[in-house]
Amino acid sequence: DIQMTQSPSTLSASVGDRVTITCRASQSINGWLAWYQQKPGKAPKLLIQKASNLESGVPSRFSGSGSETEFTLTISSLQPDDFATYYCQQYHTYSTFGPGTKVDFK
Amino acid sequence: QVQLVQSGAEVKKPGSSVKVSCKASGGPFTSYGIPWVRQAPGQGLEWMGAIIPRTGTTIYAQKFEGRVTITTDESTTTAYMELSSLRSNDTAIYYCATGSRGVINMWGQGTLVSVSS
Repeated sequence: DIQMTQSPSTLSASVGDRVTITCRASQSINGWLAWYQQKPGKAPKLLIQKASNLESGVPSRFSGSGSETEFTLTISSLQPDDFATYYCQQYHTYSTFGPGTKVDFK
Repeated sequence: QVQLVQSGAEVKKPGSSVKVSCKASGGPFTSYGIPWVRQAPGQGLEWMGAIIPRTGTTIYAQKFEGRVTITTDESTTTAYMELSSLRSNDTAIYYCATGSRGVINMWGQGTLVSVSS
């Protein structure tokens, strides 16, 4: 199975901050990577697929980049609604989720 | 757009099995794969496996191979996930989901499975 790692595991930030989360795959996944946001008690919400394609309705402050094995999710200006846990997911070979990054209040 | 409605919470004994259902409505059932994802309390998301209803093809994460079975009933547009040899660390919320090419854009409401003696 392809293993996914994320860093940091927890990120403390303030409203207005630029936030970057990194996701790494144990082998090349050719950009087949998605990002999800999850809030407590809710199912995850798809933000980005194919590494950088923003889902319809997702604010443009979210962006994704990367290829091969290293990917980033950036929130350009953190908003109150963005405090949540973020997961990356590879879907190149079967599927695997990263362990998650919790974005909380500084 | 497809909506997914799952069966209710279950309490099971260690060593037993659980079968969770996931009924699809409002859209084409056979067009996309249906993955199952679980989330233990306070933990992350774990992809268990998936089925393509149109072909019946199943794929399973290595960790669950031999212990999980995913099936569908096209006549009722329902998918099922059965997990056997339950242990306490199988306590989790189990989600069915759907989307395209492995990306998930629709989730069921989740089913809590508690395993306790």
